Amino acid sequence: EIVLTQSPDFQSVTPKEKVTITCRASQSIGSNLHWYQQKPDQSPSLLIKHASQSITGVPSRFSGSGSGTDFTLTINSLEAEDAATFYCLQTGSFPWTFGQGTKVEIK
Amino acid sequence: QVQLVESGGGVVQPGRSLRLSCAASGFIFSNYDMHWVRQAPGKGLEWVAVIWYDRSNKYHADSVKGRFTISRDNSKNTLYLQMNTLRAEDTAVYYCARAYTSASELDYWGQGTLVTVSS
Repeated sequence: EIVLTQSPDFQSVTPKEKVTITCRASQSIGSNLHWYQQKPDQSPSLLIKHASQSITGVPSRFSGSGSGTDFTLTINSLEAEDAATFYCLQTGSFPWTFGQGTKVEIK
Repeated sequence: QVQLVESGGGVVQPGRSLRLSCAASGFIFSNYDMHWVRQAPGKGLEWVAVIWYDRSNKYHADSVKGRFTISRDNSKNTLYLQMNTLRAEDTAVYYCARAYTSASELDYWGQGTLVTVSS
């Protein structure tokens, strides 16, 4: 099973600040890594697919990078509405696995 | 528009069974692999199972293998999760989600259905 480790677990950020969340895989998964945002009492919502591909309707301040074992989600100029928990998901091999989540709070 | 609507959740005693359903609409159901993902209260996401678009393959997480079975009926545009021998640790919101291929992202999710295993 591929283990995904996100860091940090929690981040408190002021609006307009830049946020960087990393996701490290225990073995190479190519670009089969996707990012999700989950707000309280909502289903997860897709932010970035295949490490760096943007999703229609997702604000351009969200971007992703990386390949192999190291991946990054960047939120440029954080807005209050971005407060949520963020998860990475690997689809490189079964069983699919999620990172443990990173909670982003607005100061 | 794409819609995935889960149903069948509720309160069940340990050791009993429950079947979840996920009704799909707004897309060609038989073209997509379908997944179940769960989330225990206050915890992270856990992938549970997948079934190929044509039912040719299935995978289950080790935590549910031998107790849960994923299935689908393409004529009814419906995904199922048969859950047997339920345990307290199976308490979670269960989401269904779709993926276009075996390595694709989960692009649409349902709203989830809560399963509570308690005596």
